[in-house]
Amino acid sequence: EAGVAQSPRYKIIEKRQSVAFWCNPISGHATLYWYQQILGQGPKLLIQFQNNGVVDDSQLPKDRFSAERLKGVDSTLKIQPAKLEDSAVYLCASSPESGEPRKLFFGSGTQLSVL
Amino acid sequence: DQQVKQNSPSLSVQEGRISILNCDYTNSMFDYFLWYKKYPAEGPTFLISISSIKDKNEDGRFTVFLNKSAKHLSLHIVPSQPGDSAVYFCAATSYPGTSYDKVIFGPGTSLSVIP
Repeated sequence: EAGVAQSPRYKIIEKRQSVAFWCNPISGHATLYWYQQILGQGPKLLIQFQNNGVVDDSQLPKDRFSAERLKGVDSTLKIQPAKLEDSAVYLCASSPESGEPRKLFFGSGTQLSVL
Repeated sequence: DQQVKQNSPSLSVQEGRISILNCDYTNSMFDYFLWYKKYPAEGPTFLISISSIKDKNEDGRFTVFLNKSAKHLSLHIVPSQPGDSAVYFCAATSYPGTSYDKVIFGPGTSLSVIP
């Protein structure tokens, strides 16, 4: 079974530039999550999708961050414009609808450096 | 407001001995707890979980203990092996559909197992 795919693995940009991350969840997983992990901290949930609907985006800085999940499968997370404090690893995860819905499967993440 | 706490940022243990990683939580609505393991440049991987109806769950060398009255859980690794060296995240959540059903992560404990 293929895992959660994310790209790119690394991205370096200057502040005020824009950046986008892509995620392809495990096939059949209805729920998709984007987490932000700042160095030395645990992952923090940015947004949660159930199929192609948003379940929770309460911690997403909506003035600069946006996310979409087209057709309930792939998802993209965009930052525009980026700030220095956005430097972090952006993790995508997915979980099944039944069985163990709270067991998250993570991708390898995208490490973003904002200079 | 940190709802999941791991007060030891790091831990060193000799190979073959027991590793004990601790986690405390503040929200009494949490009823399901997970431990994730993370190697550098990889996403977190699920290790073991426990429901609040149990006080112990075991999987091979890994055992998680839950003390609901103290809002405390611990992960025991016996015997510890060098390959266990990683960052361990404690996470908590509540039943799907409730107000606290997003998975909240602690800041992590970096475990080093010394050969």
